[in-house]
Amino acid sequence: DIQMTQSPSSLSASVGDRVTITCQASQDISNYLSWYQQKPGKAPKLLIYDASNLETGVPSRFSGSGSGTDFTFTISSLQPEDIATYYCQQYDNLPLTFGGGTKVEIK
Amino acid sequence: QVQLVESGGGVVQPGRSLRLSCGASGFTFNTCGIHWVRQAPGKGLEWVAVISHDGRNKNYADSVKGRFTISRDNSKNTLYLQMNSLRPEDTAVYYCARDARYYTSGWNYHYYYMDVWGKGTTVTVSS
Repeated sequence: DIQMTQSPSSLSASVGDRVTITCQASQDISNYLSWYQQKPGKAPKLLIYDASNLETGVPSRFSGSGSGTDFTFTISSLQPEDIATYYCQQYDNLPLTFGGGTKVEIK
Repeated sequence: QVQLVESGGGVVQPGRSLRLSCGASGFTFNTCGIHWVRQAPGKGLEWVAVISHDGRNKNYADSVKGRFTISRDNSKNTLYLQMNSLRPEDTAVYYCARDARYYTSGWNYHYYYMDVWGKGTTVTVSS
């Protein structure tokens, strides 16, 4: 199985800050990576697919990059409504696997 | 609108069974691969199973293989998850989710990421 290591597990930042989350795959997954946002008590929401493609309707302050084993998710200017836990997910192989999540809080 | 709605969760004793359902609307259900994903209390997301559009291809996480069965009834636009021999560690919110890019080529089935999620149904396994 492909292991996805996400860091940090939590972070605290101020409104307007640039926030960066990393995700590392245990083997080469090309660009078969997606990012999700999950707010408390809600279902996950797709933000990014194919490592860097923004899902329709998602604000442009969200972005993703990377390929192979190392990936980055960025919020260019943190907003209060971005408070959530973010997960990466690989789809190079079954079983699909998720990173452990990054909880983003406002400082 | 495009929607998935889970039902069937509840409290069940260890070793017992439960069947979850996931009703779909707003899209062509019988062309889509559909996943079950779960989330234990306070934990991250765990992929559970996926089924092809025609029900012929099914894949499971090792943690549920041999105990859970995914199925679908395309005439009812409904997905199912039959859960047998339940364990306390199966306690979680269970989500069904549509595969965004599923396709088949011959006998090969391709699964990707999830673009539509239900709100989830809670399963608690406890004596």
